[in-house]
Amino acid sequence: GAGVSQSPRYKVTKRGQDVALRCDPISGHVSLYWYRQALGQGPEFLTYFNYEAQQDKSGLPNDRFSAERPEGSISTLTIQRTEQRDSAMYRCASSLALGVAGVTDTQYFGPGTRLTVL
Amino acid sequence: GQQVMQIPQYQHVQEGEDFTTYCNSSTTLSNIQWYKQRPGGHPVFLIQLVKSGEVKKQKRLTFQFGEAKKNSSLHITATQTTDVGTYFCAGPRAGGSYIPTFGRGTSLIVHP
Repeated sequence: GAGVSQSPRYKVTKRGQDVALRCDPISGHVSLYWYRQALGQGPEFLTYFNYEAQQDKSGLPNDRFSAERPEGSISTLTIQRTEQRDSAMYRCASSLALGVAGVTDTQYFGPGTRLTVL
Repeated sequence: GQQVMQIPQYQHVQEGEDFTTYCNSSTTLSNIQWYKQRPGGHPVFLIQLVKSGEVKKQKRLTFQFGEAKKNSSLHITATQTTDVGTYFCAGPRAGGSYIPTFGRGTSLIVHP
């Protein structure tokens, strides 16, 4: 079946504008994660959902960042009043289900959205 | 919080040489995962290790989980140009979390 999809693939915006990044997970996947990945670094956790419930948002850098997954499927990461330091690759990943406590599920990553803030 | 450290950051090899990347944690890990990211691509899951001392093989790739469950390694035998990419390990956050914490990755460059 189809993998995780993200849109747009590239987004160039001016400082101060709001942006919305979309993630469409693999059908049936319970968990959805958002990450930010800088060049030469591993994915850095932002937030995650189980179904429609946001379980952890401790990785969101500040209150300009928010995410939702209202129907437990598609998710949107919104960045308000963008700043140049927000420029990065934003990745979404989904996983099938909760596993054994403390054991991470396999993450299926999408292609990412490359955000550039001018 | 728990971090996983990977070394080396970069590794250049001639095609046919072996390659090893190491992942170390200051705390005991309940499991560890390995991912591969090709240049311009996204991380793709390779394997998960759960048991102390576990060794798993995938063709030319050998994955090990340390006895103390604080370190892991990925060894590639006789590298090929198709092995080029960045290899990440990921361990769960401390405290029974499902959230994976990724290492910085080791970038493998294979010279033909």
